[in-house]
Amino acid sequence: AQTVTQSQPEMSVQEAETVTLSCTYDTSESDYYLFWYKQPPSRQMILVIRQEAYKQQNATENRFSVNFQKAAKSFSLKISDSQLGDAAMYFCAYRSRSGGGADGLTFGKGTHLIIQP
Amino acid sequence: GAVVSQHPSWVICKSGTSVKIECRSLDFQATTMFWYRQFPKQSLMLMATSNEGSKATYEQGVEKDKFLINHASLTLSTLTVTSAHPEDSSFYICSPGTNSYNEQFFGPGTRLTVL
Repeated sequence: AQTVTQSQPEMSVQEAETVTLSCTYDTSESDYYLFWYKQPPSRQMILVIRQEAYKQQNATENRFSVNFQKAAKSFSLKISDSQLGDAAMYFCAYRSRSGGGADGLTFGKGTHLIIQP
Repeated sequence: GAVVSQHPSWVICKSGTSVKIECRSLDFQATTMFWYRQFPKQSLMLMATSNEGSKATYEQGVEKDKFLINHASLTLSTLTVTSAHPEDSSFYICSPGTNSYNEQFFGPGTRLTVL
Protein backbone atom coordinates (compact mmCIF):
# COMPACT_ATOMS: atom_id res chain seq x y z
CA ALA A 1 0.00 0.00 0.00
CA GLN A 2 1.11 3.50 -0.71
CA THR A 3 1.62 6.11 1.97
CA VAL A 4 1.95 9.87 1.73
CA THR A 5 3.67 11.90 4.43
CA GLN A 6 3.45 15.62 4.99
CA SER A 7 5.72 16.49 7.88
CA GLN A 8 4.67 20.11 8.29
CA PRO A 9 1.28 20.43 10.04
CA GLU A 10 1.44 24.20 9.68
CA MET A 11 3.48 26.74 7.76
CA SER A 12 3.44 30.51 7.88
CA VAL A 13 4.74 32.92 5.26
CA GLN A 14 4.69 36.64 4.69
CA GLU A 15 2.60 37.88 1.82
CA ALA A 16 4.61 38.13 -1.42
CA GLU A 17 7.27 35.72 -0.18
CA THR A 18 7.96 32.17 -1.24
CA VAL A 19 7.09 29.05 0.72
CA THR A 20 7.78 25.37 0.14
CA LEU A 21 5.56 22.58 1.39
CA SER A 22 7.09 19.14 1.79
CA CYS A 23 5.69 15.78 0.78
CA THR A 24 7.24 12.34 0.66
CA TYR A 25 5.61 9.12 -0.39
CA ASP A 26 6.27 5.44 -0.36
CA THR A 27 5.41 3.12 -3.21
CA SER A 28 6.77 0.12 -5.03
CA GLU A 29 5.19 1.23 -8.30
CA SER A 30 6.97 3.04 -11.08
CA ASP A 31 4.00 4.62 -12.81
CA TYR A 32 1.74 6.95 -10.87
CA TYR A 33 0.45 10.48 -10.50
CA LEU A 34 1.10 12.97 -7.76
CA PHE A 35 -1.12 15.90 -6.93
CA TRP A 36 -1.31 18.91 -4.69
CA TYR A 37 -4.80 19.93 -3.68
CA LYS A 38 -5.89 23.04 -1.86
CA GLN A 39 -8.81 22.97 0.57
CA PRO A 40 -9.97 26.45 1.62
CA PRO A 41 -12.42 26.98 4.49
CA SER A 42 -15.30 26.14 2.12
CA ARG A 43 -13.78 22.63 2.07
CA GLN A 44 -14.07 22.34 -1.71
CA MET A 45 -11.05 20.45 -2.98
CA ILE A 46 -9.20 22.40 -5.65
CA LEU A 47 -6.47 20.93 -7.81
CA VAL A 48 -3.32 23.03 -7.62
CA ILE A 49 -0.87 21.03 -9.67
CA ARG A 50 -0.19 17.49 -10.85
CA GLN A 51 2.86 15.53 -11.87
CA GLU A 52 3.14 12.37 -13.92
CA ALA A 53 5.84 10.12 -12.53
CA TYR A 54 7.26 9.25 -15.93
CA LYS A 55 7.94 12.90 -16.68
CA GLN A 56 11.24 14.19 -15.42
CA GLN A 57 10.32 17.81 -15.95
CA ASN A 58 8.83 19.46 -12.91
CA ALA A 59 5.27 20.71 -13.34
CA THR A 60 4.56 24.43 -13.13
CA GLU A 61 1.28 26.32 -12.92
CA ASN A 62 1.75 30.06 -12.71
CA ARG A 63 3.03 30.78 -9.16
CA PHE A 64 2.98 27.11 -8.21
CA SER A 65 5.74 24.67 -9.03
CA VAL A 66 6.89 21.32 -7.78
CA ASN A 67 10.24 19.72 -7.11
CA PHE A 68 9.74 16.08 -8.04
CA GLN A 69 12.54 13.76 -7.00
CA LYS A 70 11.44 10.29 -8.03
CA ALA A 71 14.37 8.39 -6.60
CA ALA A 72 13.97 10.12 -3.27
CA LYS A 73 10.17 9.83 -3.47
CA SER A 74 9.81 13.48 -2.73
CA PHE A 75 7.26 15.91 -4.15
CA SER A 76 7.44 19.41 -2.69
CA LEU A 77 5.27 22.37 -3.66
CA LYS A 78 6.70 25.84 -4.02
CA ILE A 79 4.39 28.83 -3.91
CA SER A 80 5.94 32.04 -5.15
CA ASP A 81 4.68 35.55 -4.44
CA SER A 82 2.30 34.24 -1.78
CA GLN A 83 -1.11 35.85 -1.73
CA LEU A 84 -3.75 36.05 0.99
CA GLY A 85 -5.98 33.82 -1.11
CA ASP A 86 -3.41 31.04 -0.88
CA ALA A 87 -4.26 30.50 2.77
CA ALA A 88 -5.74 27.01 3.04
CA MET A 89 -5.02 23.39 3.84
CA TYR A 90 -2.78 21.79 1.26
CA PHE A 91 -2.89 18.07 0.66
CA CYS A 92 -0.38 16.01 -1.23
CA ALA A 93 -1.93 12.99 -2.94
CA TYR A 94 -0.86 9.87 -4.81
CA ARG A 95 -2.69 7.93 -7.48
CA SER A 96 -1.63 4.63 -8.93
CA ARG A 97 -1.90 4.00 -12.63
CA SER A 98 -2.04 0.26 -12.24
CA GLY A 99 -5.73 0.07 -11.48
CA GLY A 100 -7.08 1.21 -14.83
CA GLY A 101 -8.76 4.22 -13.29
CA ALA A 102 -10.18 2.26 -10.41
CA ASP A 103 -7.82 3.62 -7.78
CA GLY A 104 -8.75 6.48 -5.53
CA LEU A 105 -6.29 8.97 -4.16
CA THR A 106 -4.14 8.46 -1.10
CA PHE A 107 -3.74 11.73 0.77
CA GLY A 108 -1.19 13.06 3.20
CA LYS A 109 -2.35 14.60 6.46
CA GLY A 110 -2.15 18.09 5.10
CA THR A 111 -0.31 21.33 5.79
CA HIS A 112 -2.15 24.37 7.03
CA LEU A 113 -0.72 27.38 5.21
CA ILE A 114 -1.05 30.76 6.87
CA ILE A 115 -0.33 33.94 4.94
CA GLN A 116 0.78 36.89 7.06
CA PRO A 117 -0.23 40.26 5.59
CA GLY B 1 -13.23 21.21 -14.77
CA ALA B 2 -16.19 18.94 -14.18
CA VAL B 3 -19.24 20.05 -12.23
CA VAL B 4 -20.11 17.82 -9.29
CA SER B 5 -22.94 18.42 -6.87
CA GLN B 6 -23.77 16.89 -3.54
CA HIS B 7 -27.02 17.04 -1.65
CA PRO B 8 -27.56 17.88 1.08
CA SER B 9 -24.62 20.14 1.87
CA TRP B 10 -25.24 19.58 5.56
CA VAL B 11 -27.52 17.42 7.61
CA ILE B 12 -28.23 16.90 11.29
CA CYS B 13 -29.91 13.70 12.38
CA LYS B 14 -30.71 11.76 15.50
CA SER B 15 -28.74 8.71 16.49
CA GLY B 16 -30.20 5.56 14.98
CA THR B 17 -31.65 7.16 11.87
CA SER B 18 -30.43 6.74 8.31
CA VAL B 19 -29.18 9.50 6.07
CA LYS B 20 -28.83 9.48 2.29
CA ILE B 21 -26.29 11.64 0.50
CA GLU B 22 -26.57 12.18 -3.25
CA CYS B 23 -23.70 12.90 -5.59
CA ARG B 24 -24.28 13.98 -9.17
CA SER B 25 -21.79 14.54 -11.95
CA LEU B 26 -23.56 17.20 -13.97
CA ASP B 27 -21.54 17.41 -17.17
CA PHE B 28 -19.90 14.05 -17.65
CA GLN B 29 -20.55 10.38 -17.13
CA ALA B 30 -18.80 8.79 -14.20
CA THR B 31 -18.22 5.09 -14.52
CA THR B 32 -16.51 5.07 -11.14
CA MET B 33 -17.36 6.92 -7.96
CA PHE B 34 -15.06 7.36 -5.00
CA TRP B 35 -16.42 8.24 -1.58
CA TYR B 36 -14.16 9.87 0.98
CA ARG B 37 -14.61 10.77 4.62
CA GLN B 38 -12.87 13.63 6.36
CA PHE B 39 -12.96 14.01 10.12
CA PRO B 40 -12.34 17.48 11.60
CA LYS B 41 -8.79 18.70 11.09
CA GLN B 42 -7.85 15.45 9.37
CA SER B 43 -7.19 14.29 5.87
CA LEU B 44 -9.46 12.62 3.36
CA MET B 45 -9.72 8.89 3.68
CA LEU B 46 -11.07 6.72 0.89
CA MET B 47 -14.09 4.77 2.09
CA ALA B 48 -15.24 2.93 -0.98
CA THR B 49 -15.16 2.73 -4.74
CA SER B 50 -18.17 1.92 -6.84
CA ASN B 51 -18.64 1.20 -10.50
CA GLU B 52 -21.87 1.91 -12.28
CA GLY B 53 -24.19 -1.06 -12.02
CA SER B 54 -22.03 -3.14 -9.73
CA LYS B 55 -21.33 -3.53 -6.03
CA ALA B 56 -19.00 -1.17 -4.26
CA THR B 57 -15.57 -2.10 -3.00
CA TYR B 58 -14.93 -0.97 0.55
CA GLU B 59 -11.62 -0.05 2.14
CA GLN B 60 -10.41 -1.98 5.11
CA GLY B 61 -12.19 -0.95 8.27
CA VAL B 62 -15.24 0.50 6.53
CA GLU B 63 -18.45 -1.37 7.30
CA LYS B 64 -20.26 -2.14 4.07
CA ASP B 65 -23.56 -2.75 5.86
CA LYS B 66 -23.38 0.64 7.50
CA PHE B 67 -22.35 2.68 4.48
CA LEU B 68 -24.54 1.61 1.59
CA ILE B 69 -23.46 2.84 -1.79
CA ASN B 70 -25.63 2.78 -4.88
CA HIS B 71 -24.26 3.73 -8.27
CA ALA B 72 -27.26 3.05 -10.45
CA SER B 73 -26.45 5.50 -13.23
CA LEU B 74 -23.46 7.24 -14.75
CA THR B 75 -24.48 10.57 -13.26
CA LEU B 76 -25.78 9.64 -9.82
CA SER B 77 -24.35 7.84 -6.83
CA THR B 78 -25.75 7.72 -3.33
CA LEU B 79 -24.22 7.01 0.05
CA THR B 80 -26.59 5.97 2.82
CA VAL B 81 -25.35 6.01 6.38
CA THR B 82 -27.56 3.49 8.15
CA SER B 83 -28.32 3.61 11.87
CA ALA B 84 -26.07 6.63 12.25
CA HIS B 85 -24.20 7.22 15.49
CA PRO B 86 -22.31 10.28 16.75
CA GLU B 87 -19.00 8.74 15.68
CA ASP B 88 -20.25 8.82 12.07
CA SER B 89 -20.32 12.61 12.22
CA SER B 90 -17.94 13.69 9.51
CA PHE B 91 -17.54 15.42 6.17
CA TYR B 92 -18.35 13.12 3.27
CA ILE B 93 -16.99 13.90 -0.19
CA CYS B 94 -17.73 12.16 -3.46
CA SER B 95 -15.34 12.10 -6.36
CA PRO B 96 -16.45 10.90 -9.78
CA GLY B 97 -13.84 8.96 -11.65
CA THR B 98 -12.98 9.30 -15.28
CA ASN B 99 -10.74 7.35 -17.58
CA SER B 100 -8.14 10.05 -17.19
CA TYR B 101 -5.64 9.35 -14.45
CA ASN B 102 -4.61 12.94 -14.12
CA GLU B 103 -8.05 14.35 -13.49
CA GLN B 104 -9.94 13.89 -10.27
CA PHE B 105 -12.85 16.11 -9.42
CA PHE B 106 -14.55 16.43 -6.08
CA GLY B 107 -18.01 17.29 -4.92
CA PRO B 108 -18.44 20.15 -2.45
CA GLY B 109 -19.00 17.70 0.41
CA THR B 110 -21.74 16.94 2.91
CA ARG B 111 -21.35 17.70 6.58
CA LEU B 112 -23.12 15.07 8.69
CA THR B 113 -23.78 15.68 12.37
CA VAL B 114 -25.35 12.88 14.37
CA LEU B 115 -26.81 13.88 17.71
